[in-house]
Amino acid sequence: DIHLTQSPSSLSASVGDSVTITCRASQSFTRYLNWYQQKPGKAPKLLIYAASSLESGVPSRFSGSGSGTDFTLTISNLQPEDFATYYCQQSFNTPFTFGPGTTVDLK
Amino acid sequence: QVQLQESGPGLVKPSETLSLTCTVSGGSISNYYWSWIRQAPGKGLEWMGYMYPTGSTNYSPSLKSRVTMSLDTSKNLFSVRLRSVTAADTATYYCARCRHGGACYSWDYWGQGTLVTVSS
Repeated sequence: DIHLTQSPSSLSASVGDSVTITCRASQSFTRYLNWYQQKPGKAPKLLIYAASSLESGVPSRFSGSGSGTDFTLTISNLQPEDFATYYCQQSFNTPFTFGPGTTVDLK
Repeated sequence: QVQLQESGPGLVKPSETLSLTCTVSGGSISNYYWSWIRQAPGKGLEWMGYMYPTGSTNYSPSLKSRVTMSLDTSKNLFSVRLRSVTAADTATYYCARCRHGGACYSWDYWGQGTLVTVSS
């Protein structure tokens, strides 16, 4: 199984800040990395697929990059609705696995 | 707009079978892969498996011996059965549509989730 780690596990930020979350995989692959946002009591929402492609309807302040074992999600100009937990997920091979999540809260 | 809605018992006894159904509206379940994903209370996300309307399935090895997924294209329903449940199966269960029509790499539509508690 591909193991994903995320750093940091949590971070505090202010509206308008730019934040970066890192996802590291236990083996190398390209593109097959997705990012989701989850708010309490809600289903996850797809933000970024194939490492850097923005899902339709997702604001352009969200961006993804990376390949190999290191991937990043960047949120520019953080908005109040962006405070949530973010998960990376690999679809390079099955079983599909998720990172443990990064919680972004208000400083 | 595609919508997914999970339904099923919220309480299941240990050793029994958990059965959930996902009703898909606003689009056909044909031509897409469908997944079940679960989340234990306060924990992360766990992929359980996916299925295609042809009958092709891919289950997580950790659940493979206990899980069965099925699709009813005539009713636009996607179901999961998990046998011999224990307290460790207590979770919110989500059904989700794989984003790409010809494969499963990510999930673009999700149900709201249904909490299933395993307890006597």
